[in-house]
Amino acid sequence: DVKVTQSSRYLVKRTGEKVFLECVQDMDHENMFWYRQDPGLGLRLIYFSYDVKMKEKGDIPEGYSVSREKKERFSLILESASTNQTSMYLCASSLLIYRADTEAFFGQGTRLTVV
Amino acid sequence: KQEVTQIPAALSVPEGENLVLNCSFTDSAIYNLQWFRQDPGKGLTSLLLIQSSQREQTSGRLNASLDKSSGRSTLYIAASQPGDSATYLCAVRPGFGNEKLTFGTGTRLTIIP
Repeated sequence: DVKVTQSSRYLVKRTGEKVFLECVQDMDHENMFWYRQDPGLGLRLIYFSYDVKMKEKGDIPEGYSVSREKKERFSLILESASTNQTSMYLCASSLLIYRADTEAFFGQGTRLTVV
Repeated sequence: KQEVTQIPAALSVPEGENLVLNCSFTDSAIYNLQWFRQDPGKGLTSLLLIQSSQREQTSGRLNASLDKSSGRSTLYIAASQPGDSATYLCAVRPGFGNEKLTFGTGTRLTIIP
């Protein structure tokens, strides 16, 4: 089974702190994603990476950056955490194969609270 | 821009009933559609994926259908159980070479024992 593992289930950070959310997948997937999920807004894509050191902005990249130094690991960075970044963060991965049966697999989520 | 809608936002049904969850999308040029389940405070679990060339997919008590031309998908759950209580999300993959999923906001399902 594909496994996508996020380093923390719950995090509490202070305003202005630099925050790292880590995600690791064990199935050699090329694509990795970071989403945030908020009530009433659903899942929104923050950043996407299709290869090591490659990244693309999603729909809401402001206030975030990412790092992908190894294929299996994709990090989301909040340079200076703010209270409006309190949210559930979800990491996902998928194969970069141009086939219509390619699934996306998600981690267990990180509930981040910024105080 | 693709928009995905799931109505209703919440649904309660007695245990044992069959039920249908709905997903609508505005742009029919999709590559596939995936249904997920999310338990409170947890990540997403993939349930079914329907390719754009398919009409339906089945897994156990779950059956998902796809009508691209009308921009609709349904998830049918047979003989519902309390353990089916969760939020169900659908997501569409826009097209060949575009890996980004667009999600609906989900239907929160409660099965009443």
